Amino acid sequence: DTGVSQDPRHKITKRGQNVTFRCDPISEHNRLYWYRQTLGQGPEFLTYFQNEAQLEKSRLLSDRFSAERPKGSFSTLEIQRTEQGDSAMYLCASSFGPEQFFGPGTRLTVL
Amino acid sequence: GIQVEQSPPDLILQEGANSTLRCNFSDSVNNLQWFHQNPWGQLINLFYIPSGTKQNGRLSATTVATERYSLLYISSSQTTDSGVYFCAVEPGNTGKLIFGQGTTLQVKP
Repeated sequence: DTGVSQDPRHKITKRGQNVTFRCDPISEHNRLYWYRQTLGQGPEFLTYFQNEAQLEKSRLLSDRFSAERPKGSFSTLEIQRTEQGDSAMYLCASSFGPEQFFGPGTRLTVL
Repeated sequence: GIQVEQSPPDLILQEGANSTLRCNFSDSVNNLQWFHQNPWGQLINLFYIPSGTKQNGRLSATTVATERYSLLYISSSQTTDSGVYFCAVEPGNTGKLIFGQGTTLQVKP
């Protein structure tokens, strides 16, 4: 039984570049969530999917951010025109019931 | 929105000591989870406990939903228990977890 996986684990980019992260949930989990965590803070909710439908988006998810889950399996999170303030750990989680299980995260550094 | 407060913010223990971490929340919740975040950033599930009491080895947790708090007990602490402990709640059936600020635990040998 594999857990939630995320790729890449680390990403360093220059300001203004676009980046895309991938999340593969636990098999048969129909819900998938994205969170962002900055240093010294708890994770903050960004968005979540039930199957392929995006059901809620936080106001933290500006128009530079877009998330997709096209076939109800893996999901991608894209950040366009990255800014230094986007530097954070991006966490993905999945669930079948209410208990969420998290992946190892993608640490983004914007120079 | 719902507020989640954890205490204490920092805790230093000698190996073998016991500790209690507290999580207060400001509204009724559908879900409450405790996590341990390891030094690499991975969130490890400790308990899914919207109400009642559960135990897993040296760890146990109690949630009193009517009084809007949860407690995490760590007994006979080990250096590997070091890290940040987060409480997270789901208000209603929103799907989103709201995290507290965490308790940073350091266990000294």
